[in-house]
Amino acid sequence: DVKVTQSSRYLVKRTGEKVFLECVQDMDHENMFWYRQDPGLGLRLIYFSYDVKMKEKGDIPEGYSVSREKKERFSLILESASTNQTSMYLCASSLYPPGASPLHFGNGTRLTVT
Amino acid sequence: GENVEQHPSTLSVQEGDSAVIKCTYSDSASNYFPWYKQELGKGPQLIIDIRSNVGEKKDQRIAVTLNKTAKHFSLHITETQPEDSAVYFCAAGAGYNQGGKLIFGQGTELSVKP
Repeated sequence: DVKVTQSSRYLVKRTGEKVFLECVQDMDHENMFWYRQDPGLGLRLIYFSYDVKMKEKGDIPEGYSVSREKKERFSLILESASTNQTSMYLCASSLYPPGASPLHFGNGTRLTVT
Repeated sequence: GENVEQHPSTLSVQEGDSAVIKCTYSDSASNYFPWYKQELGKGPQLIIDIRSNVGEKKDQRIAVTLNKTAKHFSLHITETQPEDSAVYFCAAGAGYNQGGKLIFGQGTELSVKP
């Protein structure tokens, strides 16, 4: 079974802090993704990566950046956290592009910015 | 841009009844339609998916139908049980044709009352 592990279940940060959300997958998947989940808005794609060192903006990249130094690890960075970034963050991976194979999600990190 | 609309946003049924969730998509290039179930405190998990060359797919109590002409697809759960209570997401994707992205619906919170 694919396992996608997000390092923190809950995080509380202050406005202006730099925040790192870490994600590791154990199935040698090429593709990794960061989504944000808000009530009534579904899952919105922040950033994705099809290969090490490669990253692409998703639908809502503003205020975020990512890092993929190793194939199994994909980090989401909030350069200067703001209260409107309070949300549930979901990491996912897939063997092929999502149009060709399913996404495997982690259990999420609930981030609160005060 | 591409869009997936999902209805209803909440659905309450009695145990043993059927539940139907409907989605429409905007991009005619979409050819992959997965459904995810998210239980409390967990990430979404794939429960069934369908490709555009198939009109219907069944897996025990779950079925998905696809109408490409009308650009809509539906999830049907028969003989519902309390453990079916969760948030369900539909999604549409077209591999590299959509930049390798899955577009998600807004989610349906299903409640099955014993």
